[in-house]
Amino acid sequence: GNSVTQMEGPVTLSEEAFLTINCTYTATGYPSLFWYVQYPGEGLQLLLKATKADDKGSNKGFEATYRKETTSFHLEKGSVQVSDSAVYFCALRGNDYKLSFGAGTTVTVRA
Amino acid sequence: SAVISQKPSRDICQRGTSLTIQCQVDSQVTMMFWYRQQPGQSLTLIATANQGSEATYESGFVIDKFPISRPNLTFSTLTVSNMSPEDSSIYLCSVEVLERGIYEQYFGPGTRLTVT
Repeated sequence: GNSVTQMEGPVTLSEEAFLTINCTYTATGYPSLFWYVQYPGEGLQLLLKATKADDKGSNKGFEATYRKETTSFHLEKGSVQVSDSAVYFCALRGNDYKLSFGAGTTVTVRA
Repeated sequence: SAVISQKPSRDICQRGTSLTIQCQVDSQVTMMFWYRQQPGQSLTLIATANQGSEATYESGFVIDKFPISRPNLTFSTLTVSNMSPEDSSIYLCSVEVLERGIYEQYFGPGTRLTVT
Protein backbone atom coordinates (compact mmCIF):
# COMPACT_ATOMS: atom_id res chain seq x y z
CA GLY A 1 0.00 0.00 0.00
CA ASN A 2 0.88 3.67 -0.07
CA SER A 3 2.89 5.16 2.76
CA VAL A 4 4.74 8.33 3.71
CA THR A 5 7.78 8.55 5.94
CA GLN A 6 8.52 11.96 7.34
CA MET A 7 11.37 13.32 9.39
CA GLU A 8 10.20 13.42 12.97
CA GLY A 9 10.71 16.43 15.13
CA PRO A 10 10.51 18.47 16.98
CA VAL A 11 12.65 20.91 15.06
CA THR A 12 13.69 24.15 16.72
CA LEU A 13 15.28 26.92 14.69
CA SER A 14 16.25 30.54 15.03
CA GLU A 15 14.60 33.15 12.87
CA GLU A 16 16.13 33.43 9.36
CA ALA A 17 17.56 29.91 9.55
CA PHE A 18 17.19 27.39 6.72
CA LEU A 19 14.53 24.71 7.17
CA THR A 20 14.44 21.27 5.60
CA ILE A 21 11.90 18.56 6.42
CA ASN A 22 12.54 15.24 4.74
CA CYS A 23 9.72 13.21 3.24
CA THR A 24 9.92 9.95 1.33
CA TYR A 25 7.10 7.85 0.00
CA THR A 26 6.14 4.41 -1.21
CA ALA A 27 3.44 4.13 -3.83
CA THR A 28 2.45 2.40 -7.00
CA GLY A 29 2.01 4.44 -10.12
CA TYR A 30 2.31 8.20 -10.09
CA PRO A 31 0.88 9.71 -6.93
CA SER A 32 0.26 13.38 -6.26
CA LEU A 33 2.28 14.79 -3.37
CA PHE A 34 1.32 17.49 -0.91
CA TRP A 35 2.56 19.43 2.07
CA TYR A 36 -0.01 20.59 4.60
CA VAL A 37 0.56 22.95 7.53
CA GLN A 38 -1.35 23.02 10.80
CA TYR A 39 -0.98 26.14 12.91
CA PRO A 40 -1.73 25.86 16.63
CA GLY A 41 -5.40 25.26 17.28
CA GLU A 42 -6.34 25.20 13.61
CA GLY A 43 -7.17 22.71 10.87
CA LEU A 44 -4.89 21.71 8.02
CA GLN A 45 -4.05 24.11 5.24
CA LEU A 46 -2.73 23.01 1.88
CA LEU A 47 0.74 24.53 1.57
CA LEU A 48 1.95 23.23 -1.78
CA LYS A 49 1.60 20.36 -4.21
CA ALA A 50 3.21 18.52 -7.12
CA THR A 51 1.77 15.93 -9.44
CA LYS A 52 4.61 14.59 -11.58
CA ALA A 53 8.33 13.99 -11.56
CA ASP A 54 10.50 17.13 -11.31
CA ASP A 55 7.51 19.35 -10.57
CA LYS A 56 8.33 22.00 -7.99
CA GLY A 57 5.57 23.17 -5.69
CA SER A 58 6.02 26.53 -3.99
CA ASN A 59 4.07 28.82 -1.69
CA LYS A 60 4.86 31.38 1.04
CA GLY A 61 8.59 30.91 0.48
CA PHE A 62 8.38 27.13 0.88
CA GLU A 63 9.42 24.78 -1.91
CA ALA A 64 9.39 21.05 -2.56
CA THR A 65 10.43 19.10 -5.65
CA TYR A 66 8.89 15.79 -6.70
CA ARG A 67 11.87 13.42 -7.06
CA LYS A 68 10.74 10.14 -8.52
CA GLU A 69 14.21 8.60 -8.62
CA THR A 70 14.58 9.01 -4.84
CA THR A 71 10.80 8.88 -4.08
CA SER A 72 11.16 12.07 -2.09
CA PHE A 73 9.38 15.39 -1.63
CA HIS A 74 11.47 17.35 0.87
CA LEU A 75 10.16 20.68 2.13
CA GLU A 76 12.53 23.66 2.26
CA LYS A 77 12.45 27.30 3.23
CA GLY A 78 15.43 29.55 3.03
CA SER A 79 14.66 31.94 5.89
CA VAL A 80 12.05 31.00 8.46
CA GLN A 81 10.01 33.38 10.58
CA VAL A 82 8.39 32.97 13.97
CA SER A 83 5.04 32.78 12.16
CA ASP A 84 6.20 29.56 10.45
CA SER A 85 5.96 27.72 13.76
CA ALA A 86 3.49 24.91 13.07
CA VAL A 87 3.15 21.20 12.39
CA TYR A 88 3.95 20.18 8.82
CA PHE A 89 2.50 17.06 7.20
CA CYS A 90 3.67 15.39 4.02
CA ALA A 91 0.87 13.55 2.18
CA LEU A 92 0.33 11.38 -0.88
CA ARG A 93 -2.75 10.83 -3.00
CA GLY A 94 -2.78 7.54 -4.82
CA ASN A 95 -5.16 6.17 -7.38
CA ASP A 96 -7.70 5.29 -4.69
CA TYR A 97 -8.30 9.04 -3.91
CA LYS A 98 -7.27 8.57 -0.29
CA LEU A 99 -4.61 10.71 1.33
CA SER A 100 -1.82 8.99 3.21
CA PHE A 101 -0.16 11.27 5.76
CA GLY A 102 3.24 11.29 7.33
CA ALA A 103 3.57 11.50 11.11
CA GLY A 104 3.96 15.28 11.08
CA THR A 105 6.92 17.45 12.05
CA THR A 106 6.59 20.13 14.70
CA VAL A 107 8.64 23.21 13.86
CA THR A 108 9.31 25.94 16.38
CA VAL A 109 11.04 29.14 15.28
CA ARG A 110 12.59 31.31 18.00
CA ALA A 111 12.94 35.06 17.64
CA SER B 1 -10.60 25.75 -3.35
CA ALA B 2 -13.38 25.24 -0.83
CA VAL B 3 -14.34 26.87 2.44
CA ILE B 4 -15.43 24.42 5.11
CA SER B 5 -17.02 25.09 8.46
CA GLN B 6 -17.57 22.67 11.33
CA LYS B 7 -19.83 22.79 14.36
CA PRO B 8 -19.17 22.62 17.20
CA SER B 9 -15.59 23.84 17.29
CA ARG B 10 -15.07 22.07 20.59
CA ASP B 11 -17.04 20.20 23.20
CA ILE B 12 -16.61 18.42 26.49
CA CYS B 13 -18.86 15.39 26.79
CA GLN B 14 -19.68 12.78 29.37
CA ARG B 15 -18.77 9.16 28.93
CA GLY B 16 -21.58 7.14 27.31
CA THR B 17 -23.17 10.05 25.47
CA SER B 18 -23.11 10.87 21.75
CA LEU B 19 -22.05 13.95 19.82
CA THR B 20 -22.95 14.91 16.27
CA ILE B 21 -20.48 17.03 14.34
CA GLN B 22 -21.64 19.04 11.35
CA CYS B 23 -19.61 19.87 8.27
CA GLN B 24 -20.74 22.51 5.78
CA VAL B 25 -19.04 23.32 2.46
CA ASP B 26 -19.49 26.48 0.41
CA SER B 27 -19.78 24.57 -2.87
CA GLN B 28 -21.12 21.26 -4.12
CA VAL B 29 -18.63 18.43 -3.80
CA THR B 30 -18.82 14.72 -4.47
CA MET B 31 -16.22 13.40 -2.07
CA MET B 32 -16.24 14.22 1.63
CA PHE B 33 -14.04 12.61 4.24
CA TRP B 34 -13.92 12.35 8.01
CA TYR B 35 -10.62 12.08 9.88
CA ARG B 36 -9.55 11.67 13.47
CA GLN B 37 -6.42 13.27 14.87
CA GLN B 38 -5.51 12.00 18.30
CA PRO B 39 -3.39 14.26 20.52
CA GLY B 40 0.04 14.82 19.00
CA GLN B 41 -0.64 12.35 16.20
CA SER B 42 -1.17 12.38 12.47
CA LEU B 43 -4.54 12.07 10.73
CA THR B 44 -6.39 8.80 10.42
CA LEU B 45 -9.17 8.42 7.86
CA ILE B 46 -12.43 7.28 9.46
CA ALA B 47 -14.67 7.09 6.40
CA THR B 48 -15.49 8.46 2.99
CA ALA B 49 -18.96 9.93 2.50
CA ASN B 50 -20.43 10.28 -0.95
CA GLN B 51 -23.85 11.79 -1.46
CA GLY B 52 -26.51 9.23 -2.18
CA SER B 53 -24.62 6.20 -0.95
CA GLU B 54 -23.57 4.60 2.30
CA ALA B 55 -20.33 5.82 3.81
CA THR B 56 -17.28 3.62 3.34
CA TYR B 57 -15.42 2.95 6.58
CA GLU B 58 -11.73 2.26 7.04
CA SER B 59 -10.40 -0.68 8.95
CA GLY B 60 -10.95 -0.22 12.66
CA PHE B 61 -13.97 2.06 12.31
CA VAL B 62 -17.58 0.86 12.26
CA ILE B 63 -20.89 2.44 11.42
CA ASP B 64 -22.42 1.73 14.82
CA LYS B 65 -19.74 3.80 16.51
CA PHE B 66 -19.38 6.52 13.86
CA PRO B 67 -22.61 6.87 11.89
CA ILE B 68 -22.35 9.34 9.03
CA SER B 69 -25.00 11.15 7.05
CA ARG B 70 -24.56 12.85 3.70
CA PRO B 71 -27.94 14.29 2.75
CA ASN B 72 -26.72 16.60 -0.02
CA LEU B 73 -23.62 17.81 -1.85
CA THR B 74 -22.70 20.51 0.68
CA PHE B 75 -23.31 18.91 4.06
CA SER B 76 -22.36 15.92 6.18
CA THR B 77 -22.52 14.85 9.80
CA LEU B 78 -20.42 12.48 11.87
CA THR B 79 -21.76 11.12 15.14
CA VAL B 80 -19.43 9.78 17.80
CA SER B 81 -21.57 7.32 19.73
CA ASN B 82 -21.34 5.93 23.24
CA MET B 83 -18.21 7.96 23.87
CA SER B 84 -15.30 6.94 26.05
CA PRO B 85 -12.18 8.93 27.02
CA GLU B 86 -10.33 7.17 24.17
CA ASP B 87 -12.52 9.10 21.71
CA SER B 88 -10.97 12.38 22.83
CA SER B 89 -9.51 13.72 19.60
CA ILE B 90 -9.83 16.37 16.94
CA TYR B 91 -12.31 15.34 14.26
CA LEU B 92 -11.84 16.94 10.85
CA CYS B 93 -13.89 16.83 7.71
CA SER B 94 -12.41 17.42 4.30
CA VAL B 95 -13.56 17.65 0.72
CA GLU B 96 -11.88 16.82 -2.54
CA VAL B 97 -11.91 19.43 -5.27
CA LEU B 98 -10.55 19.28 -8.79
CA GLU B 99 -8.35 22.37 -9.21
CA ARG B 100 -6.80 22.90 -12.67
CA GLY B 101 -6.60 19.18 -13.25
CA ILE B 102 -5.29 18.31 -9.77
CA TYR B 103 -7.36 16.65 -7.07
CA GLU B 104 -6.84 18.53 -3.80
CA GLN B 105 -8.30 18.01 -0.35
CA TYR B 106 -9.33 20.94 1.80
CA PHE B 107 -9.95 20.64 5.50
CA GLY B 108 -12.31 22.17 7.97
CA PRO B 109 -11.04 23.77 11.20
CA GLY B 110 -11.77 20.64 13.21
CA THR B 111 -13.88 19.78 16.25
CA ARG B 112 -11.92 19.28 19.43
CA LEU B 113 -13.67 16.66 21.54
CA THR B 114 -12.86 15.88 25.15
CA VAL B 115 -14.63 12.98 26.83
CA THR B 116 -14.63 12.86 30.62
